[in-house]
Amino acid sequence: DGGITQSPKYLFRKEGQNVTLSCEQNLNHDAMYWYRQDPGQGLRLIYYSQIVNDFQKGDIAEGYSVSREKKESFPLTVTSAQKNPTAFYLCASRLTGSQPQHFGDGTRLSIL
Amino acid sequence: AQSVSQHNHHVILSEAASLELGCNYSYGGTVNLFWYVQYPGQHLQLLLKYFSGDPLVKGIKGFEAEFIKSKFSFNLRKPSVQWSDTAEYFCAVSRSNDYKLSFGAGTTVTVRA
Repeated sequence: DGGITQSPKYLFRKEGQNVTLSCEQNLNHDAMYWYRQDPGQGLRLIYYSQIVNDFQKGDIAEGYSVSREKKESFPLTVTSAQKNPTAFYLCASRLTGSQPQHFGDGTRLSIL
Repeated sequence: AQSVSQHNHHVILSEAASLELGCNYSYGGTVNLFWYVQYPGQHLQLLLKYFSGDPLVKGIKGFEAEFIKSKFSFNLRKPSVQWSDTAEYFCAVSRSNDYKLSFGAGTTVTVRA
């Protein structure tokens, strides 16, 4: 079945460590996205990528980094510069700008 | 910057009651509009979308939404809710052919049996 796979489902990080969240899609979608979901704040866009080797900052990019070396993969690194990283992270993809997004199941990141 | 406002943070209803969730956006150009739903323990899924044409759109599970351009609104409705409609509902907006999608803060709907 086609879809978006996020791993791991749960992730724990020590303060001061960088951590990378994986997102893979086999939908052949051009665009991929990372969102952060916090209670009462909805989904806030961290980064998005329209094509391979290109990405743009979203609304809350500080403390995060991404890469898009392959069409199917869009990993997100939460760096030690992110002061409040505990959240639920969602990856999404979209065929074109006029199509709806498809979402993965999410990764819940917690700080030890 | 484009913003999306959802008026209700939490709505509690009894089964068979009617539901209406408000959504307003601030962008004045041509937009694409979406409602997504997140059932407990599940991933976000598309409920319905509007790109152009008839401003009253039908979605899955008996939901519909009406786009009122003059009010910058895209309200979601369901005439008679069921217990299984308990979920969090998100409105989302993007400019036509723009890859960036902005979400509202979400509305938690609890349906009591």
